Amino acid sequence: SQQGEEDPQALSIQEGENATMNCSYKTSINNLQWYRQNSGRGLVHLILIRSNEREKHSGRLRVTLDTSKKSSSLLITASRAADTASYFCATQLMEYGNKLVFGAGTILRVKS
Amino acid sequence: DTAVSQTPKYLVTQMGNDKSIKCEQNLGHDTMYWYKQDSKKFLKIMFSYNNKELIINETVPNRFSPKSPDKAHLNLHINSLELGDSAVYFCASSQNPDPTYEQYFGPGTRLTVT
Repeated sequence: SQQGEEDPQALSIQEGENATMNCSYKTSINNLQWYRQNSGRGLVHLILIRSNEREKHSGRLRVTLDTSKKSSSLLITASRAADTASYFCATQLMEYGNKLVFGAGTILRVKS
Repeated sequence: DTAVSQTPKYLVTQMGNDKSIKCEQNLGHDTMYWYKQDSKKFLKIMFSYNNKELIINETVPNRFSPKSPDKAHLNLHINSLELGDSAVYFCASSQNPDPTYEQYFGPGTRLTVT
């Protein structure tokens, strides 16, 4: 079964607005990562947050992790048309050591 | 220069055929991966090699056989193709097998089996 599940499946916003995507997972993790996939392209790593961290920032990206709720959120502030892409969370499961498990992604569309 | 490249980008073939997808990385990484992305966008790992040695072998049909001739290359050969093999296949690489290291993905190969 899929480990990470993103919510919502699709999100459409206006340029300049903030976009929030959520990821829930089922079992204990070592870390959680977010990746972006532009249409027809490969995935690009955005940010990693470890299980002992609660929040991390990178530019306009803010990631939070709540291990008690087994969930993470990705916030993109002041969105741009170029942020239009699919966003995936990927978890490193504690019992599976060296494997990343990806969710199905959130499709973000930023309208200019 | 492209960091992780795959060929071909598109592959259309008939059921029962055998096909190969090639992947090359010029990042000097030790670890390479094959992922399959289905029509619902789920991305699932298939194989991983570290220094030419197989380290992850997920439950995939044995019609799929990876081969790593050297650290910079990881090819995927698929025998007796089936309709369900239609998907986008991504190659990726990372500095080492520890998943905390960033994975760099290729552009994908869209395989369509008719």
